[in-house]
Amino acid sequence: AQSVTQLDSHVSVSEGTPVLLRCNYSSSYSPSLFWYVQHPNKGLQLLLKYTSAATLVKGINGFEAEFKKSETSFHLTKPSAHMSDAAEYFCVVRGSGGYQKVTFGTGTKLQVIP
Amino acid sequence: NAGVTQTPKFQVLKTGQSMTLQCAQDMNHEYMSWYRQDPGMGLRLIHYSVGAGITDQGEVPNGYNVSRSTTEDFPLRLLSAAPSQTSVYFCASGVQDNQPQHFGDGTRLSIL
Repeated sequence: AQSVTQLDSHVSVSEGTPVLLRCNYSSSYSPSLFWYVQHPNKGLQLLLKYTSAATLVKGINGFEAEFKKSETSFHLTKPSAHMSDAAEYFCVVRGSGGYQKVTFGTGTKLQVIP
Repeated sequence: NAGVTQTPKFQVLKTGQSMTLQCAQDMNHEYMSWYRQDPGMGLRLIHYSVGAGITDQGEVPNGYNVSRSTTEDFPLRLLSAAPSQTSVYFCASGVQDNQPQHFGDGTRLSIL
């Protein structure tokens, strides 16, 4: 069995300050982990993925995430928030097997205050 | 390159009506899937396909049918719409059953 927990449903930051979106997972196997972003009225877009290579993963738009096996975490960070980062972010875990083994988190809405 | 195209973008149905949500991709991806997105629940897999002529059920398949006669198209059919099917529906495609997937912009469906 696997699960993913996004610890905050809403996060609010000021423009230019750091962003931290938290994600914890549980998986019986060595998982693959992903972060997606969803802007209003749009589909999901891949930000970054971890697939057992480097534990610090860099993605698009200045985002990065660190896989910490001991803490079963995969938190998403960005040094300086931009207004265009306001969106909903989803953490996704994939265990072994096909589509059935993909689990989406419930999402974190990021608000960026000017 | 259009990617994944979903039609319609919005639809309102009455309980008991049937309809088909269309999904087409032009990336020659073998893998396609349908998800529904409900507030506070993330995305849940409805049906998926690993190639033309092959489909299978996901987490929440009841009330929905799919078919995959071509690589490009993967329509989702609501057989008899119910208010519980009010949701945002996303179609996605990919090179393999692993992530990442390419998502369409969604169909917002309301059942009255």
